[in-house]
Amino acid sequence: KNQVEQSPQSLIILEGKNCTLQCNYTVSPFSNLRWYKQDTGRGPVSLTIMTFSENTKSNGRYTATLDADTKQSSLHITASQLSDSASYICVVITGGGNKLTFGTGTQLKVEL
Amino acid sequence: NAGVTQTPKFQVLKTGQSMTLQCAQDMNHEYMSWYRQDPGMGLRLIHYSVGAGITDQGEVPNGYNVSRSTTEDFPLRLLSAAPSQTSVYFCATSSATSTDTQYFGPGTRLTVL
Repeated sequence: KNQVEQSPQSLIILEGKNCTLQCNYTVSPFSNLRWYKQDTGRGPVSLTIMTFSENTKSNGRYTATLDADTKQSSLHITASQLSDSASYICVVITGGGNKLTFGTGTQLKVEL
Repeated sequence: NAGVTQTPKFQVLKTGQSMTLQCAQDMNHEYMSWYRQDPGMGLRLIHYSVGAGITDQGEVPNGYNVSRSTTEDFPLRLLSAAPSQTSVYFCATSSATSTDTQYFGPGTRLTVL
């Protein structure tokens, strides 16, 4: 069964600190992996999309890594800001392209 | 350019009532889809469409109908609402297939009593 598991479930950090969110998946065949940011009461917004051949992709202070051999991805947030408080969702797409498997998300809170 | 719009933002229904959740996009995207988001669960695909006149079922289609008469609109119909359909519903679009960047609407929060 295709599954995407994210850890931790929730995280609280101080403003200015860095953090790393984890995503493990058992989806097969793999097409690409995405990270989304979802603010409270809003729809998810795409941060990065990585294909099988990409190891790292950055979007401003967000850097995603992918290890297709171990089926793991991480999202690193540098110099966190209060506006980074949100749920971060990992999504894996199968080779056919029409099947998306969503993780349950990591709830990040950035405090002063 | 409004992107993806959804109406209504909030809705309360009684068991057995029917309603239509509206989704519209002005990005000329072919691929549109509906998801539901429940606490402790990832988003789950209800129905999707790869173009006008073409729809298909997703992971949790029971109790929902869709149609796609135009590129811009993709309404989701609840035929006879049940408490299990209490959820937040998101419409999403992408330019070709689900492998392209998806753009999500703001969501509709539905409560069925």
